[in-house]
Amino acid sequence: EVQLVESGGTVVRPGGSLRLSCEGSGFSFEDYGMTWVRQGPGKGLEWVSDISLNGRSAGYADSVMGRFTISRDNSKNSLFLEMNNLRVEDTALYFCVRDGGSSWYGMEVWGQGTTVTVSS
Amino acid sequence: DIQMTQSPSSLPASVGDRVTITCRASQNIDRYLNWYQQKPGKAPKLLIYAATNLQSGVPSRFSGSASGTDFTLTISSLQPEDFATYYCQHCHSVPFAFGPGSTVDLK
Repeated sequence: EVQLVESGGTVVRPGGSLRLSCEGSGFSFEDYGMTWVRQGPGKGLEWVSDISLNGRSAGYADSVMGRFTISRDNSKNSLFLEMNNLRVEDTALYFCVRDGGSSWYGMEVWGQGTTVTVSS
Repeated sequence: DIQMTQSPSSLPASVGDRVTITCRASQNIDRYLNWYQQKPGKAPKLLIYAATNLQSGVPSRFSGSASGTDFTLTISSLQPEDFATYYCQHCHSVPFAFGPGSTVDLK
């Protein structure tokens, strides 16, 4: 079964840091681009960041540029999101997502999400 | 950055209705447009990719079309399990923005 499992979400103070992880199984992790998408409480979906198959290329939303860093370890079938200088508005459910082979094929596989709460 | 808009934001409908949701991109995105369905408390589900291609396993009552920067998701005959929020998303160039969502609820 193709599966993505996120972890690392917790409550953190404004200005704090956090590292989210996502482990993939049931597919060849190194063959797919990966993305983080978030959803604030009662809000819509927000694309956060994506990373290429080999990890050498990454993109970021303007709202997280310079604060968040995406990375991956294909030997461990894992995706990461390093989050620094967290703000209240970063509070959200963070989804780890796999594409369908390229961005053309859409975001095909979603994890269940991990919750990040930024609050004093 | 490319912005996405959707209409309507809310759509009251009944089982059996034909439902149409529109998404517009702020500039040309060719056919790099996807549609997702999300139910409360669940992760989104890919319905349509590349504007018109039905994702494997998605019922054929769902379809997508494109005309310039305007894209449409159509549900030909609404079923009880289709009450949900629908999002478009472009994947033309980073950042791959989502639309604000359209909620189909019971009339």
